[in-house]
Amino acid sequence: EAAVTQSPRNKVAVTGGKVTLSCNQTNNHNNMYWYRQDTGHGLRLIHYSYGAGSTEKGDIPDGYKASRPSQENFSLILELATPSQTSVYFCASGTGVATEVFFGKGTRLTVV
Amino acid sequence: QQKVQQSPESLIVPEGAMTSLNCTFSDSASQYFAWYRQHSGKAPKALMSIFSNGEKEEGRFTIHLNKASLHFSLHIRDSQPSDSALYLCAVSRNTGNYKYVFGAGTRLKVIA
Repeated sequence: EAAVTQSPRNKVAVTGGKVTLSCNQTNNHNNMYWYRQDTGHGLRLIHYSYGAGSTEKGDIPDGYKASRPSQENFSLILELATPSQTSVYFCASGTGVATEVFFGKGTRLTVV
Repeated sequence: QQKVQQSPESLIVPEGAMTSLNCTFSDSASQYFAWYRQHSGKAPKALMSIFSNGEKEEGRFTIHLNKASLHFSLHIRDSQPSDSALYLCAVSRNTGNYKYVFGAGTRLKVIA
């Protein structure tokens, strides 16, 4: 079973602070994704990556940056956190061919 | 930009009933169509997928795809309480960027 690990699992941040969400996969998958999940919106794509050193904007990238320093690691960075970024964030990995993507357990972020 | 919509938003069915979930998409170049299931508080997990027009059956689950109508569906035969979950449809192209766009989900509750 493919393994995607997210940290932290829960985070409370203050408005205007910097937040970094981390994701590690041991599947040797080329593609990695960051989604946020809000009631009524399903999963919305923030950033994704085709491999180490690459990042691409998803459908809702504003207010977020991403970093892919290695095949295994993909981070999501909120430079100036706002209450509207309160959500559950999921990281996922996939082979790059249109097949199943594997999700981590999610990070619940609350910005106060 | 790909638009993916699901219906209904929520559904309550009795145990043993047939359940039908719908997904429409806007990009006629889409080539990968999948259903994911997410139990409460858990990560989404792939249920089944299809690439070509027609239907595919796996156990109690059947997926139908009609590309001309930009529509695919999931049918659950003999629904069980353990099927209660949020069902997300996902669509992507098979070439180029492997962006998976998800619908907002259908929340299914199966009552015993």
